[in-house]
Order: sequence, then structure tokens, then C-alpha cells
Amino acid sequence: KNQVEQSPQSLIILEGKNCTLQCNYTVSPFSNLRWYKQDTGRGPVSLTIMTFSENTKSNGRYTATLDADTKQSSLHITASQLSDSASYICVVTLVGATNKLIFGTGTLLAVQP
Amino acid sequence: GAGVSQTPSNKVTEKGKYVELRCDPISGHTALYWYRQSLGQGPEFLIYFQGTGAADDSGLPNDRFFAVRPEGSVSTLKIQRTERGDSAVYLCASSPSAGGIDTQYFGPGTRLTVL
Repeated sequence: KNQVEQSPQSLIILEGKNCTLQCNYTVSPFSNLRWYKQDTGRGPVSLTIMTFSENTKSNGRYTATLDADTKQSSLHITASQLSDSASYICVVTLVGATNKLIFGTGTLLAVQP
Repeated sequence: GAGVSQTPSNKVTEKGKYVELRCDPISGHTALYWYRQSLGQGPEFLIYFQGTGAADDSGLPNDRFFAVRPEGSVSTLKIQRTERGDSAVYLCASSPSAGGIDTQYFGPGTRLTVL
């Protein structure tokens, strides 16, 4: 069964601190992996996209890593800001023309002052 | 606006009623997707359109759910004989084309509540 699991389920950190979110997947065949940020009541917004041949991808204070051998990815957030409070969802794409996305359940991050 | 829009933003209906949810994709995007997101869960794929045709409807839970995209732009998700279990946020996304690594751009969703 194609699955995407994320940990932790929720996380509270202080403003200015760094954090790392984890994603493990069993999706096969695998095309690419994305990290999305979803603010409460809003649709998900893409942060990074990596193909199976890429190991790391950065977008500002967000850095995603990918190990296609162990089927693990992480999202590192540097110097967190209050606006980083959101759900972060790991999404894996199945190979094929439909570009079907398999979503994880997300990590709910709360950044406190 | 330049983004994906969805209407209504909220819909409350009674069990057994029929509802229609609308999605306006980004202009020029040929691929359109519908997802359903239950509370505390990630979105689940429902159906994907390439142009006017439904290229993959394998995520539709049963025959009460149907979606159309008659002119290859706006799409409508239709739910017949709604049940309480249909309550969720219905998200629409569009991308320039299908396949590959195109980013899917999501709308804000329609929150459906079935009483």
C-alpha cells in the first residue's frame, strides 16, 4: 500500500529556533517528493519539489533533504518565525501521467514568541 | 485574481440533499484536480482532469460523487444524496500540465458540512 508517514504529529518551538520534520514513504514507483505548507483554513502551498535524483533543495529558510534509498525525507526550518506556524505536509507523487499526489497527514508546527 | 478560486467557501446542507462545488483554475492550466481533506488528515485524491476529460477518477468514493469540466476550465464537483460522512474540506488544484514535476496550485477549499 502506498503510504506517507510523518513525524512528529505536532511540534511547539520558540521563535528563532530551528526544527526538523520527518517523512517516511512506501510509495512505489516514486516520481518526486514535495513539501507543502498549509495555513489553517487555506489550501496547501508548495515549498519544495525534489526528484528521486536530488538530495537537497532549499527555499529560503526551508531546506528539504531526500534519501531515495531509505525512502526518507526531512524538512529543516531555520530561524523560525511566528508565521511558520502551520501544518507541513509531505507529498509523494506516483510515476505516471496523472501526477497523482499521495499526502501525508502532516506535522502541525506552532511557533511561540 | 491569479490563483485558484473555489465557491462557496462554506456550504451547510442537510443529509440527503444535492450539492455542487465550483472550482476556477488558474487561466491556462490544463490539469485540474479535486481532493477531499478530513479534519486532521492530509488531502485525499478524488479525480483528475486533463482538459475536458476525466483522466483518472479512481479516488471518487462512490457513484454519488461526480465531477465535470465541460469547457476545460471551470470544474464542478457534484455530490448526490449527501451523507454526514461527506463532511470535509474539498480542495481543488490546477497545474500547467499533467505529469512531470509541475507544481499543483491549490485553492482555499470549500468546507462542506452535512447535518
